[in-house]
Amino acid sequence: DAGVTQSPTHLIKTRGQHVTLRCSPISGHKSVSWYQQVLGQGPQFIFQYYEKEERGRGNFPDRFSARQFPNYSSELNVNALLLGDSALYLCASSNIGSTNEKLFFGSGTQLSVL
Amino acid sequence: AQSVSQHNHHVILSEAASLELGCNYSYGGTVNLFWYVQYPGQHLQLLLKYFSGDPLVKGIKGFEAEFIKSKFSFNLRKPSVQWSDTAEYFCAVNADNDMRFGAGTRLTVKP
Repeated sequence: DAGVTQSPTHLIKTRGQHVTLRCSPISGHKSVSWYQQVLGQGPQFIFQYYEKEERGRGNFPDRFSARQFPNYSSELNVNALLLGDSALYLCASSNIGSTNEKLFFGSGTQLSVL
Repeated sequence: AQSVSQHNHHVILSEAASLELGCNYSYGGTVNLFWYVQYPGQHLQLLLKYFSGDPLVKGIKGFEAEFIKSKFSFNLRKPSVQWSDTAEYFCAVNADNDMRFGAGTRLTVKP
């Protein structure tokens, strides 16, 4: 079985642009979460979606948005990019999205904002 | 909202040494606790988790962690490390569908 897949693997954008990152969960998993990991820090929670509904949101500005599709894949959108948005963006999937569930992580999308 | 503190940024040990990585969190309610590990070039993966019951939990590869509620701690231990344990270790706390990770501890095990 394929694990969590994310695309693209690397991306370079300039300030003010917008970006869309994509994630496909493990087959059968209905919950997807997004994290931002800046170099030298742990992953920071951005969003969790379960059955296409937002279930949790971290402390990120409204420039960050996400959605989940009927096939449980997900997109993370970031508008008006800032230099500080440069980071590794991780997607994680789980079966039912409960708070004690194991997360399966993808390898991430490395976003560089110039 | 909860926060997670990992005390050590980088730990260097020789093979067969004992390991203890500290993790403290701040949150007054019910929490679920995790340790994730990232081996070089690999994805983050779960080592172990606690959500109820016995506060001493055992994970993969000989790791264990103890939840001490009064100290808001969830320290990770291994009696004898191996070179293959070289990795970055992240403590995480989930409360109210908000998952918070610590900054991570890089473990280097010298052969």
